[in-house]
Amino acid sequence: GAGVSQSPRYKVAKRGQDVALRCDPISGHVSLFWYQQALGQGPEFLTYFQNEAQLDKSGLPSDRFFAERPEGSVSTLKIQRTQQEDSAVYLCASSLVGLSTDTQYFGPGTRLTVL
Amino acid sequence: KQEVTQIPAALSVPEGENLVLNCSFTDSAIYNLQWFRQDPGKGLTSLLLIQSSQREQTSGRLNASLDKSSGRSTLYIAASQPGDSATYLCAVRPHRGGADGLTFGKGTHLIIQP
Repeated sequence: GAGVSQSPRYKVAKRGQDVALRCDPISGHVSLFWYQQALGQGPEFLTYFQNEAQLDKSGLPSDRFFAERPEGSVSTLKIQRTQQEDSAVYLCASSLVGLSTDTQYFGPGTRLTVL
Repeated sequence: KQEVTQIPAALSVPEGENLVLNCSFTDSAIYNLQWFRQDPGKGLTSLLLIQSSQREQTSGRLNASLDKSSGRSTLYIAASQPGDSATYLCAVRPHRGGADGLTFGKGTHLIIQP
């Protein structure tokens, strides 16, 4: 596709369930980012990949959050034992190389609601 | 820790007016600053990206300026239209240490009245 795609677009989970969120970056983009956006807030950085290497995971809020990009393309963000405070929109972005001059292109996000 | 603040939090103006959105950041060590637009239920659309060595960028009716030393940026929208209604987000890319991701403000929710 032409842009970043994410699935599912909406996810409802019961507290304690595990969820997996998928991101398909723009074809050929080396860098991939995950952000979390709570209601009424700006996005907050979670983690960053360059190809399959996770170079920065300093923004992951707890060890219940795990991200991978095994083949350097599609990425999955997994949240174990979901809590109500995990309810947010999860945004994925990709950029061509990862240079400081690169623009990040964002997907539509996955809205996660934890009941 | 880098903090980004956007003022005002919300703005409602009649169609046709020129308007200015403000963004400030606490750490001037940045690679670049980017303005995004976010429509309800959609992702972010990049509007303008200003490198740290640049002073401004223009695209159509939009003009963004950057004063890195004072930690400020403005987004100027000329001749506003109802289609400009959205949330506008300012984000900086840090120059040193820590995360390689963007640091965002909370956004300005803009409504253009027809």
